[in-house]
Amino acid sequence: SQTIHQWPATLVQPVGSPLSLECTVEGTSNPNLYWYRQAAGRGLQLLFYSVGIGQISSEVPQNLSASRPQDRQFILSSKKLLLSDSGFYLCAWTRGNKGDTQYFGPGTRLTVL
Amino acid sequence: SQQGEEDPQALSIQEGENATMNCSYKTSINNLQWYRQNSGRGLVHLILIRSNEREKHSGRLRVTLDTSKKSSSLLITASRAADTASYFCATDAGTGANNLFFGTGTRLTVIP
Repeated sequence: SQTIHQWPATLVQPVGSPLSLECTVEGTSNPNLYWYRQAAGRGLQLLFYSVGIGQISSEVPQNLSASRPQDRQFILSSKKLLLSDSGFYLCAWTRGNKGDTQYFGPGTRLTVL
Repeated sequence: SQQGEEDPQALSIQEGENATMNCSYKTSINNLQWYRQNSGRGLVHLILIRSNEREKHSGRLRVTLDTSKKSSSLLITASRAADTASYFCATDAGTGANNLFFGTGTRLTVIP
């Protein structure tokens, strides 16, 4: 069966510090991968998606970047965090067909102070 | 722009009552999905309804879809305290590879 992992679960970082969040998927190959951000009590904002290794699409201009160094690994990064980067970050995967169910990781709670 | 918009934003009911949440969207879709999110957790897929379906059931869940009105409803019957969560609809009319647009969610509280 497929599983998706995210770490760390929680993170408190000072403004201006770097960020690296990791997401890995097990039990499937060539998934589509997604990074979302969720502000408190709000819906999901799609940040990045990837259809393959090294292929990253950005949905919104921002302080963040994403990379996919391996088929089942998706990394969200920042060189210098802003206060506005605080939020709940969710990684998800699908099999790649339009309208497929998305399977979400447990999320990372990021607080930038 | 975001596809799904849920209504109401928050709903509080007594255990045993039914809960109905609505979702409206803006463009043509192939399918619509409902997800559940417990506080501080990831989203969990509940049910998918295709554009050529009008109603679908899964346990205590009933989903309807009206493509002429571009709306869907999620009914949870005989609610339980464990149903307390946020519920999101998502549509597949997004750009790019298999992207979904998620609504802002309905926060359901079931009071024991």
